[in-house]
Amino acid sequence: DGGITQSPKYLFRKEGQNVTLSCEQNLNHDAMYWYRQDPGQGLRLIYYSQIVNDFQKGDIAEGYSVSREKKESFPLTVTSAQKNPTAFYLCASSILIGTGGHEQYFGPGTRLTVT
Amino acid sequence: GIQVEQSPPDLILQEGANSTLRCNFSDSVNNLQWFHQNPWGQLINLFYIPSGTKQNGRLSATTVATERYSLLYISSSQTTDSGVYFCAVIQGGSEKLVFGKGTKLTVNP
Repeated sequence: DGGITQSPKYLFRKEGQNVTLSCEQNLNHDAMYWYRQDPGQGLRLIYYSQIVNDFQKGDIAEGYSVSREKKESFPLTVTSAQKNPTAFYLCASSILIGTGGHEQYFGPGTRLTVT
Repeated sequence: GIQVEQSPPDLILQEGANSTLRCNFSDSVNNLQWFHQNPWGQLINLFYIPSGTKQNGRLSATTVATERYSLLYISSSQTTDSGVYFCAVIQGGSEKLVFGKGTKLTVNP
C-alpha cells in the first residue's frame, strides 16, 4: 500500500530531552513537510523539503531540526530549545499537479507529550 | 502573508441535513485544498480545487478564484461526517500551504 507512515503514534518525553519523530513515504513524492497542530487550532508549518539534501524553515522552525538524506524519509527532531513541544505533529508529502500546483497528503500524526 | 478565514467556526446538524462551509482568502492562490480531520486526527483529502467545481458523492466544492472564496457542500449529512473541516491554500510564488482555523462539524443522530 502506498502512503505516509509516522511513528510512533504517541510519544512521551521528559523536559530537556531531544526527541526524533519519524516520517516515511513510498509515494515517490519529491516534497515533504512537517506541521504542528495545537488543540483547537489549524496547522502551522515547521519545515519543508522540496528535494533530497535541501530543506527550508517554515513559520515556526525555532527549536526544531530536520534532515532529508533520502527521498522517502524526513525525520523531525524536537530539541530541548523548543519551549512548548507538547502538540500533535503531522507529516505530509506532495505531488506536482499538471497546472503547477501541489496537492499535499498527510500521515496519521504523532502526539508528543513532554512533562 | 495570505489570510484564510473559515466560517462558521462551529456547526451542529441533525443527520440528513445539508450544510455549506465557507473559506475566504485574502490573495490569489494557485492551490486550494479541503480536508476533513477525523476524531483520531487523521487529515483526509477531500478536494484539490484551485478553481471550478468538483463533486464526490455527497460532497461537492466550488472555488471562485476571482472573488477569493471557496465553498464546501455536504448533503444528507451522516454522523461519520463529524470532525473538523480545513481549507488550505498556497499563494502564487510560494510553496507553503496556509491553513484556516477550521469548521468543527457535529452531526447528531
